[in-house]
Amino acid sequence: NAGVMQNPRHLVRRRGQEARLRCSPMKGHSHVYWYRQLPEEGLKFMVYLQKENIIDESGMPKERFSAEFPKEGPSILRIQQVVRGDSAAYFCASSPPLGGANVLTFGAGSRLTVL
Amino acid sequence: AQSVTQLGSHVSVSEGALVLLRCNYSSSVPPYLFWYVQYPNQGLQLLLKYTTGATLVKGINGFEAEFKKSETSFHLTKPSAHMSDAAEYFCAVGSGYSTLTFGKGTMLLVSP
Repeated sequence: NAGVMQNPRHLVRRRGQEARLRCSPMKGHSHVYWYRQLPEEGLKFMVYLQKENIIDESGMPKERFSAEFPKEGPSILRIQQVVRGDSAAYFCASSPPLGGANVLTFGAGSRLTVL
Repeated sequence: AQSVTQLGSHVSVSEGALVLLRCNYSSSVPPYLFWYVQYPNQGLQLLLKYTTGATLVKGINGFEAEFKKSETSFHLTKPSAHMSDAAEYFCAVGSGYSTLTFGKGTMLLVSP
C-alpha cells in the first residue's frame, strides 16, 4: 500500500526555466495539499485540491505558480520562470474524502534548487 | 485564523535527559494539534495528534504531549532522549476540514 509519492525527489533548474512537481496521493485519497518549506522556515500551505477542482489556493503566489489535479493522473505543481527564491522543499499531502487536517499523509518532498 | 509558536529554534539535551519541546497555538475554534518529526532530507512523519478526548496523547518512539486549553499549549515530551531522536520537530494546528498551520520548527540536538 504505497504512501504519497512525489517526484522528482530532487530537481535543479536554471533561472527562467519551468519546474513541474508531481504528487500521487495514497490509494483511496481524493484530496491533495501542497506545502512549501523554505530554509529555516516551517511548512507554508500553498493550495488544496480535489480532482478537477481547486478548493483553496490562498497560499499560492499570485504569479508563476499553478496547480492542478486532473481526473486521471497525479497532481502537478507548476512553477514558471523560476527564480532563486523558489528554491525550497515542496511537500504534498493527501487525505481521504471528508478527511481534512486530522488525516493527512505527507510525501517525502521534492527539493527544488534554482541556479 | 490559526497560528503556532514554537519556543526555541534549537534545543540541546544529553542522551538520557528529558526532552521538552514547547508549542503554543492560537485558534478561534476547537483545535486539532499535531507533532511531526523530520529527519534530514526526508518528509514529515506524524508523531502524535490530539483531536478530541483524552488530553494526554501518546505517540511513537516514546513521545507524548498534553493539550492544555487554558494555556493554549501542546508541549512535546520524552522522558529519556536517544541519539536517534536528533531531528527537527514541527508543531501544527488544524480544525475539522481545514488545512494545517505549522510552526517554524525546533531542531533537537542530542549529545552523548
